[in-house]
Amino acid sequence: RKEVEQDPGPFNVPEGATVAFNCTYSNSASQSFFWYRQDCRKEPKLLMSVYSSGNEDGRFTAQLNRASQYISLLIRDSKLSDSATYLCVVREGGFGNEKLTFGTGTRLTIIP
Amino acid sequence: DAGITQSPRHKVTETGTPVTLRCHQTENHRYMYWYRQDPGHGLRLIHYSYGVKDTDKGEVSDGYSVSRSKTEDFLLTLESATSSQTSVYFCAISESETLRQGSSYNEQFFGPGTRLTVL
Repeated sequence: RKEVEQDPGPFNVPEGATVAFNCTYSNSASQSFFWYRQDCRKEPKLLMSVYSSGNEDGRFTAQLNRASQYISLLIRDSKLSDSATYLCVVREGGFGNEKLTFGTGTRLTIIP
Repeated sequence: DAGITQSPRHKVTETGTPVTLRCHQTENHRYMYWYRQDPGHGLRLIHYSYGVKDTDKGEVSDGYSVSRSKTEDFLLTLESATSSQTSVYFCAISESETLRQGSSYNEQFFGPGTRLTVL
């Protein structure tokens, strides 16, 4: 079983729609969670961290469910510029443990 | 954008030849990482460094070595390249969480990547 699992997609969504991705992680000791965005042939960039209480940044909402060990990302009012691959990322934790585990990514295409 | 550069950006080489990839940062961050990214796999950690001359193995370290003689440079060496090492290589940097209070800690900033083809 992969440590971090994501539905690879692709998700083809009309502009303006709402889309949600889920990600599951296997290590219950994981402490930090992130969503990164990666455009085609570019480097990954942090989209948002995921906090236990859930957090929102504009059209993006991230949720963490520790009991079920999954993380979600919701994108509202999707834009053409949201087309990218979204990477679910987990850090196992512990001071000084800076290593991250990446999911394979979910590919999103917003259709005009 | 974080000041991270990678060189070369593209390289084609032959099996059995040595290859060195360079990552250079201007952020004075403590941690540096080398990942590879392949279809069907997430980014996988090859090696990382937590300070000058301090390095450790990651998930897929076989066939790779690293060196960090200065804070700003982290080198990845393939001693004898194989076709299975054809990949996109990303360097990343981060700072210790205790130094980033109040902000999203452990954020790793990535370089633009090096596309390596081993024939």
